[in-house]
Amino acid sequence: GDSVTQMEGPVTLSEEAFLTINCTYTATGYPSLFWYVQYPGEGLQLLLKATKADDKGSNKGFEATYRKETTSFHLEKGSVQVSDSAVYFCALKNQGAQKLVFGQGTRLTINP
Amino acid sequence: SQTIHQWPATLVQPVGSPLSLECTVEGTSNPNLYWYRQAAGRGLQLLFYSVGIGQISSEVPQNLSASRPQDRQFILSSKKLLLSDSGFYLCATFKGSSYGYTFGSGTRLTVV
Repeated sequence: GDSVTQMEGPVTLSEEAFLTINCTYTATGYPSLFWYVQYPGEGLQLLLKATKADDKGSNKGFEATYRKETTSFHLEKGSVQVSDSAVYFCALKNQGAQKLVFGQGTRLTINP
Repeated sequence: SQTIHQWPATLVQPVGSPLSLECTVEGTSNPNLYWYRQAAGRGLQLLFYSVGIGQISSEVPQNLSASRPQDRQFILSSKKLLLSDSGFYLCATFKGSSYGYTFGSGTRLTVV
């Protein structure tokens, strides 16, 4: 079945550091790919998405490119802030499917 | 816009006790509704989804059940909790690709 694998956390960085959170997937067909973020005490929020190969999703300085050849959707940000501290989830949704399939989540902590 | 209300935020229950978690949705009608669970160190797993009143689909066999007595109400229940039921439970809606998924803030359940 469809699955998503994220890099193991937790990840701790200093402010203004470069961030990469790796995400790879296994899916039949052509899924849409997502990154969700969960800030402390809140629900999941959609951060960005991409619906086809080579699409780049971006939001709040974060970017991720849909790479079909490597089945990856890595999340990047050039200069992180303390306010980016949260748990990040990579997810996919296959065409016609009723559900999102999530990775295990990566906890990110940014120190000032 | 859609808003999901989930309660309680945290819950500690003894083994063998019953469970009832409630999720209500505002700002939409006839949404698809979902219960997800995140066990410690694992990704978000879909437990149940519902496409209408009284219609429940179960994704995995387990000690839990779900009901949808009203269009915008989704309830997760158990008659007797197990230690393995501990986790973070999230309610979500999907109302078409224009709106995507909206998540509640979750309930952290600890069974002791």
